Amino acid sequence: RKEVEQDPGPFNVPEGATVAFNCTYSNSASQSFFWYRQDCRKEPKLLMSVYSSGNEDGRFTAQLNRASQYISLLIRDSKLSDSATYLCVVTSSGTYKYIFGTGTRLKVLA
Amino acid sequence: EAGVVQSPRYKIIEKKQPVAFWCNPISGHNTLYWYLQNLGQGPELLIRYENEEAVDDSQLPKDRFSAERLKGVDSTLKIQPAELGDSAVYLCASSLGTGSNEQFFGPGTRLTVL
Repeated sequence: RKEVEQDPGPFNVPEGATVAFNCTYSNSASQSFFWYRQDCRKEPKLLMSVYSSGNEDGRFTAQLNRASQYISLLIRDSKLSDSATYLCVVTSSGTYKYIFGTGTRLKVLA
Repeated sequence: EAGVVQSPRYKIIEKKQPVAFWCNPISGHNTLYWYLQNLGQGPELLIRYENEEAVDDSQLPKDRFSAERLKGVDSTLKIQPAELGDSAVYLCASSLGTGSNEQFFGPGTRLTVL
């Protein structure tokens, strides 16, 4: 089993739709969680950190469920420009090491 | 503020040839990372530097891969000899420190081995 698992997609959604991705992790000692966004042929860029209390940034909401060991990303009112791959990142307690998921590909359709 | 700089952006070589990638991290970032990203996969760590010290190279295939960061700033990743399976994107990232500090990625070097 991979340490961090994501549905690769693609998720094809119409503009304005709400879409959610989950990411599961296997190490219960995992400490820090992030969502990165990666456009085609570009580098990953931090979208948002995921806090225990959940956090929201405009149309984006990230949540952490430690009991079930998953994090989620919700995108409301999808825009064409949201089309990208969303990478889940998990780090373990006391380490620096980023463990990436395979990424979930989103296509927002006009 | 300049981001992480990498060169070259693209490299095509024949198998068994050597190749080198260069990275200049964000100014003031002490921690530097080299990742490998295959198509359809997330980045995988190859090596991490704290200043000039390689503190984690456990994932680096040392028979053919080497890296250095002599003055604690720029870094070079080398493959010699390259194999067909080395075709991938090689990403460099930097952060202020370790732990949960955000990592900033460079644009990567896309390597094709023929």
